[in-house]
Amino acid sequence: TQLLEQSPQFLSIQEGENLTVYCNSSSVFSSLQWYRQEPGEGPVLLVTVVTGGEVKKLKRLTFQFGDARKDSSLHITAAQTGDTGLYLCAGPSTSGTYKYIFGTGTRLKVLA
Amino acid sequence: DSGVTQTPKHLITATGQRVTLRCSPRSGDLSVYWYQQSLDQGLQFLIQYYNGEERAKGNILERFSAQQFPDLHSELNLSSLELGDSALYFCASSVESFGGHYNEQFFGPGTRLTVL
Repeated sequence: TQLLEQSPQFLSIQEGENLTVYCNSSSVFSSLQWYRQEPGEGPVLLVTVVTGGEVKKLKRLTFQFGDARKDSSLHITAAQTGDTGLYLCAGPSTSGTYKYIFGTGTRLKVLA
Repeated sequence: DSGVTQTPKHLITATGQRVTLRCSPRSGDLSVYWYQQSLDQGLQFLIQYYNGEERAKGNILERFSAQQFPDLHSELNLSSLELGDSALYFCASSVESFGGHYNEQFFGPGTRLTVL
């Protein structure tokens, strides 16, 4: 069974600080997506990474896909209160079952 | 706005009852996914349909069923409801090329189900 484990599970930081969230698996993924979910709303797609070693930037957010395509990270520079939310990594199962696997999630709270 | 619509937004019902949740995917998307999210829990994949056919099943209870209609909208039917079924139910859609390697999913706003 393919799993995506995220760390840390919870993170509370002050505005202006930097942080990194990790998404790890023992399995290879053909691609990984990162989503942010705010309370009471559906997850919103932030980015898709496809190539091993790929780095994508979205304003203050930097996403990296591991060389072996088994892990990914999300780095936020100078966090803002608007970054508060649940961050989820996800990817399509490569077991031929067409299942879509979500990570365990990182709940981020940015304090003013 | 993701382009995915879900109705109703809120649903309050009693144990033992049956409810139907409805989802309309983004224009052009052939795949529909259903997820359950309990309080402080991650997203649990329930079931996926692709162009009217069931594609994948996750942790979906036998009391739950779904279908995708020719116009591509989907319904999730929950029956013999229990207190533990109270959760947010999300629908998502994707274009999903064959093999689904990209599978970028776009989520609806969810239906909050409360079973009393």
